[in-house]
Amino acid sequence: GAGVSQSPSNKVTEKGKDVELRCDPISGHTALYWYRQSLGQGLEFLIYFQGNSAPDKSGLPSDRFSAERTGGSVSTLTIQRTQQEDSAVYLCASSQLGGASYNEQFFGPGTRLTVL
Amino acid sequence: AQTVTQSQPEMSVQEAETVTLSCTYDTSESDYYLFWYKQPPSRQMILVIRQEAYKQQNATENRFSVNFQKAAKSFSLKISDSQLGDAAMYFCAYRSSNQGGKLIFGQGTELSVKP
Repeated sequence: GAGVSQSPSNKVTEKGKDVELRCDPISGHTALYWYRQSLGQGLEFLIYFQGNSAPDKSGLPSDRFSAERTGGSVSTLTIQRTQQEDSAVYLCASSQLGGASYNEQFFGPGTRLTVL
Repeated sequence: AQTVTQSQPEMSVQEAETVTLSCTYDTSESDYYLFWYKQPPSRQMILVIRQEAYKQQNATENRFSVNFQKAAKSFSLKISDSQLGDAAMYFCAYRSSNQGGKLIFGQGTELSVKP
């Protein structure tokens, strides 16, 4: 089947605006991850969804960041009142299962966010 | 907290030669996974190879192999017979066995391959 898809591919916004980034995981994958790749911070974990469990939000950098996953499938990462330091590539990944057992994470192509 | 360190921001190799990328990590756990990911300019992260910490045998995938030294917390990637298509950013990553599967990445090593 299709891989992980993300939209938009690129997003340019003005400082202070809100943005929504979308991730469509591989069908049947119950675990979904968001990562951020920036020049200053490298690649860092943001949030993790596993089935109906409460998400692991431990990587979200501030309360301006939030994410939801509707129906156990599509996920949206929302950044409110964007700042220039939010400029980065946002990567989404999914796997069949999370937790202790190993399951390969498949990554999407990312969304490049530029905050002017 | 676990950390992953890649001390080589850039590496270069001649086509058909062998190159080794270094990675060290810090953890107090005994059970975990280690990975090498490749990221070409398309931004798509591709899994190159993985190693389970409980396995003593080093993982191998075709031209890619690792040298896993658990006591030294070292996990290097060897690429043999380098090809032009190997040019990319390479990330070392750590995954705990009990923290939901999130990956902790090193800073990356940009590999260039000279024809």
